[in-house]
Amino acid sequence: GQNIDQPTEMTATEGAIVQINCTYQTSGFNGLFWYQQHAGEAPTFLSYNVLDGLEEKGRFSSFLSRSKGYSYLLLKELQMKDSASYLCAVINTDKLIFGTGTRLQVFP
Amino acid sequence: GAVVSQHPSWVICKSGTSVKIECRSLDFQATTMFWYRQFPKQSLMLMATSNEGSKATYEQGVEKDKFLINHASLTLSTLTVTSAHPEDSSFYICSVSNYGYTFGSGTRLTVV
Repeated sequence: GQNIDQPTEMTATEGAIVQINCTYQTSGFNGLFWYQQHAGEAPTFLSYNVLDGLEEKGRFSSFLSRSKGYSYLLLKELQMKDSASYLCAVINTDKLIFGTGTRLQVFP
Repeated sequence: GAVVSQHPSWVICKSGTSVKIECRSLDFQATTMFWYRQFPKQSLMLMATSNEGSKATYEQGVEKDKFLINHASLTLSTLTVTSAHPEDSSFYICSVSNYGYTFGSGTRLTVV
C-alpha cells in the first residue's frame, strides 16, 4: 500500500518559523513535491526534492531523506497569507500520490 | 509546465443525472492526464489515470462504471459522473504531467 502521513493541523504565530513533516512508505519513489492549497483552489507548487538534502527557495525550504522516507517543509517569517493547507506528494512511477495534508493557521 | 483548463468551475445537478467535466491541456500534447477527488478538509485522492486512445486506469476502490473517463485527443480528457448521488458531491481536479504537474482549476460538484 501507499502511506504518506502528515500532521492534520498546525498553528503558528506571524513572523515565526514552522516545520511541517511528511513521512512516506510507497512502492516506488521518483521524487517528492510540496504544494500549498487554499480552500476551493488548485494546489500551487512550492518545492521539489529528488535527492537527499535541503532545497531553499525564499521563505520556503524543503528537506528530503530517502533512506528514512521523510521530508519536511520549513516556512520562515510566517505571514497571515500563509494560512492554508500544505500537501506533500510522492511521485510513484508517473503518478502523483498526495499525503494526508496539513492545515496551517497563522495567528497575528 | 503545461497550461491546463478545466470546466465547469462549479456545477449543481439533481440526484440520478450525469455530469461531464472537461480538462484541456492548452499548450502541451498530453498522452496522460490524472483525475483527483477532494472531500472537504481532506487531501487529494487519485481516482484514475486517463490514457489517450486507450482505457483509463482506475485506482483501487474507484468505480469505473460510475466515473467514466474519455481521453479521445491529446488535449482533452473528460470525466463523467454517472447517476450522481449526494455522496458524489466533491471537488474534482485534473492534472497534466510536463516537467512537473500542472493542475486545472477544479470543479465543485454539488448533487442535490
